[in-house]
Amino acid sequence: NAGVTQTPKFRVLKTGQSMTLLCAQDMNHEYMYWYRQDPGMGLRLIHYSVGEGTTAKGEVPDGYNVSRLKKQNFLLGLESAAPSQTSVYFCASGRDAVQYFGPGTRLTVT
Amino acid sequence: DQQVKQNSPSLSVQEGRISILNCDYTNSMFDYFLWYKKYPAEGPTFLISISSIKDKNEDGRFTVFLNKSAKHLSLHIVPSQPGDSAVYFCAETSGSRLTFGEGTQLTVNP
Repeated sequence: NAGVTQTPKFRVLKTGQSMTLLCAQDMNHEYMYWYRQDPGMGLRLIHYSVGEGTTAKGEVPDGYNVSRLKKQNFLLGLESAAPSQTSVYFCASGRDAVQYFGPGTRLTVT
Repeated sequence: DQQVKQNSPSLSVQEGRISILNCDYTNSMFDYFLWYKKYPAEGPTFLISISSIKDKNEDGRFTVFLNKSAKHLSLHIVPSQPGDSAVYFCAETSGSRLTFGEGTQLTVNP
């Protein structure tokens, strides 16, 4: 089992560019999540999904969109990147109380 | 308004001694608290959890204590090992969502 995988691992964008981060899980979990981690702020929830075809806003959703067309995939989109979106992005999947995290995507917006 | 707070950004202990990591919370309506460990350039990994109906949970060298009257929980690592050096996050779960603290960097010196 690969667990939770994220693509890409690193990316540099210019302000105003768009991109999509891909998350895949092979554990048949219903729930999937996108977080961002910034220094001194822990992990903050951007969007999450409780099942295929559903999405919901988390704590910091502005500037991001998500889609969950297949149960195993959860996509995070940035339509017009801003320097404030420079961060490390983590995807997670889970059931019950425990979430399992991917290795992260380091995004820099210049 | 931060619901889960880890007031110590860092902690340094000697190998073989006890490490105590602390977490305070404000929301009494939670289901579980979880502790995650994070190494650099990796995603967080689940370490141990405690249910709201318990006051202690133990797993090998790791013990979590919950003091509901003080709204405080702590993670004890005994004995500490250099491989325990990492950032530790406490997280509160309510339903399908996790709320994380800011994290504490633990350094175990040989």
